[in-house]
Amino acid sequence: QKEVEQNSGPLSVPEGAIASLNCTYSDRGSQSFFWYRQYSGKSPELIMSIYSNGDKEDGRFTAQLNKASQYVSLLIRDSQPSDSATYLCAVNTGTSGTYKYIFGTGTRLKVLA
Amino acid sequence: DGGITQSPKYLFRKEGQNVTLSCEQNLNHDAMYWYRQDPGQGLRLIYYSQIVNDFQKGDIAEGYSVSREKKESFPLTVTSAQKNPTAFYLCASRGLAAYNEQFFGPGTRLTVL
Repeated sequence: QKEVEQNSGPLSVPEGAIASLNCTYSDRGSQSFFWYRQYSGKSPELIMSIYSNGDKEDGRFTAQLNKASQYVSLLIRDSQPSDSATYLCAVNTGTSGTYKYIFGTGTRLKVLA
Repeated sequence: DGGITQSPKYLFRKEGQNVTLSCEQNLNHDAMYWYRQDPGQGLRLIYYSQIVNDFQKGDIAEGYSVSREKKESFPLTVTSAQKNPTAFYLCASRGLAAYNEQFFGPGTRLTVL
């Protein structure tokens, strides 16, 4: 069974701090990795994608991928109360032509004003 | 505006009834997906389709049916055989290239009375 694991939280950080969200996956053949943000009662919104080992930065967000350790993380710098949400890690595990995503259960982030 | 629409936003069903959830996209995406989300759980794949007139079962297809007669549309029917259908249903789509990202519609919240 291919799995994606996340700590459910809540992860509480003060406003202005760095929030670090982590995700591990079981399928070594996974090719692409995504972070979604989901506010309560709303649908997931894509915030970052990463495909190669290393860091990828987009504004206050940095995604980090380590395929050898099967680990992907999301850093949120200068956290704001509006960042309070559940963050879902997703992994694309399909072989060519059958792309399926496996989602973690999400980490709930609370940014304290 | 390009995007994914789902209707209705809220749906109430009596036990024993079949209901159909609509999903339409104008992003010219080939692949479409249906997920179910329950409180405290991640997204679970119900069905997916990568081409018109073809679709595959996901992890929890029992009690559900789909059709893909047009590229833009991927309706989901929740049948009376689905024993616990109360959940948040999410439709998603993506292009077929290996690293294309998946985007979600706003979701339909189904409640069985």
